[in-house]
Amino acid sequence: NAGVTQTPKFRVLKTGQSMTLLCAQDMNHEYMYWYRQDPGMGLRLIHYSVGEGTTAKGEVPDGYNVSRLKKQNFLLGLESAAPSQTSVYFCASSYFRVTDTQYFGPGTRLTVL
Amino acid sequence: AQKVTQAQTEISVVEKEDVTLDCVYETRDTTYYLFWYKQPPSGELVFLIRRNSFDEQNEISGRYSWNFQKSTSSFNFTITASQVVDSAVYFCALSEAIRQGAQKLVFGQGTRLTINP
Repeated sequence: NAGVTQTPKFRVLKTGQSMTLLCAQDMNHEYMYWYRQDPGMGLRLIHYSVGEGTTAKGEVPDGYNVSRLKKQNFLLGLESAAPSQTSVYFCASSYFRVTDTQYFGPGTRLTVL
Repeated sequence: AQKVTQAQTEISVVEKEDVTLDCVYETRDTTYYLFWYKQPPSGELVFLIRRNSFDEQNEISGRYSWNFQKSTSSFNFTITASQVVDSAVYFCALSEAIRQGAQKLVFGQGTRLTINP
């Protein structure tokens, strides 16, 4: 049972390039979330999904797109990366109810030059 | 709007000292959940505890203890007999229901705890 995994762990992009971050969970969780962590700001919600085939915007969705084609995977895409998207990205998942704990992946450190 | 304040940006203590990390929250919800997460130097986020708003009983887990006081909207975390391995950034978080059963975690800014040998 690997829990929540994220790939890649590190990535450096040039402004304007695109990339996809992959989050995978093997806990059969319904809910999945993408957060970003910036220095001194804690974590902020980018997008989330309440089940396979669904996505919704969080607090800071601009510049990102997401897809949840399979229940175990949640992809975060950057179509045209900007330096402001330099951050650490965390994926999380929870089983079902609003009361359930979110478990986080190890994070992806992204630098946009 | 929900808000979590961790007023202590950094704390540094000597090993074996007790240390308390403060967390104050704001919410209009009558039912909510509070969390503590640990982020060690390796960067991952480790879940420590979840507490619901109806349960004000303090919790102890080994050297860790949590004091939840609804009257002061606080959920403080104490480490007893601290160890170097406790060095990390600690985040307090508050749940906010969004839609279809999903919840957003509202995080405080974190407290960087350094335990010196």
